Amino acid sequence: GEDVEQSLFLSVREGDSSVINCTYTDSSSTYLYWYKQEPGAGLQLLTYIFSNMDMKQDQRLTVLLNKKDKHLSLRIADTQTGDSAIYFCAERNSGGYQKVTFGTGTKLQVIP
Amino acid sequence: DVKVTQSSRYLVKRTGEKVFLECVQDMDHENMFWYRQDPGLGLRLIYFSYDVKMKEKGDIPEGYSVSREKKERFSLILESASTNQTSMYLCASMTGGYNEQFFGPGTRLTVL
Repeated sequence: GEDVEQSLFLSVREGDSSVINCTYTDSSSTYLYWYKQEPGAGLQLLTYIFSNMDMKQDQRLTVLLNKKDKHLSLRIADTQTGDSAIYFCAERNSGGYQKVTFGTGTKLQVIP
Repeated sequence: DVKVTQSSRYLVKRTGEKVFLECVQDMDHENMFWYRQDPGLGLRLIYFSYDVKMKEKGDIPEGYSVSREKKERFSLILESASTNQTSMYLCASMTGGYNEQFFGPGTRLTVL
């Protein structure tokens, strides 16, 4: 079945760039997503990339997709304390039912 | 402003009790999901529904059932709660197109 893996924890200094990495196993993924979960809240979509793209930029966020290695990354430029949260990678496969598989989540700690 | 609401933020139940968790969305989405979130395990799909009265098992359906009698409402039922069902439960509904999921704030269930 599908599997999505992330490291559990990342710590960066305020103002630095953060890079959160994700690997997935399903080569038939159509969309890949990054969700953010702030303390005490549900998940919120940050950005997504279609599988035929290799890069997407949205303000401070850059998503890179390496389909050959099944590797997805999220770069946050000029990381702020408000970026402290758990970040989930997710993938939607091409199967009939619209099922999305989430990774374990990476907790980003931003040090002032 | 799109909204997914869950009936309780915190719930404490005893082993063997029947537990109902309710989720309501106001976006007229066809697809709805129930996940549980545990530290280090990320989000795991319990059940999903792609239409009224239709349901599909997710990755960890054992000990759970669901009900979708109306399009806007998706209920998760723990037939006989057990301590290993202590967790955060997240409900989501999903758009078409690029399939963004909108999450409720979660219900933290403790089974004593």
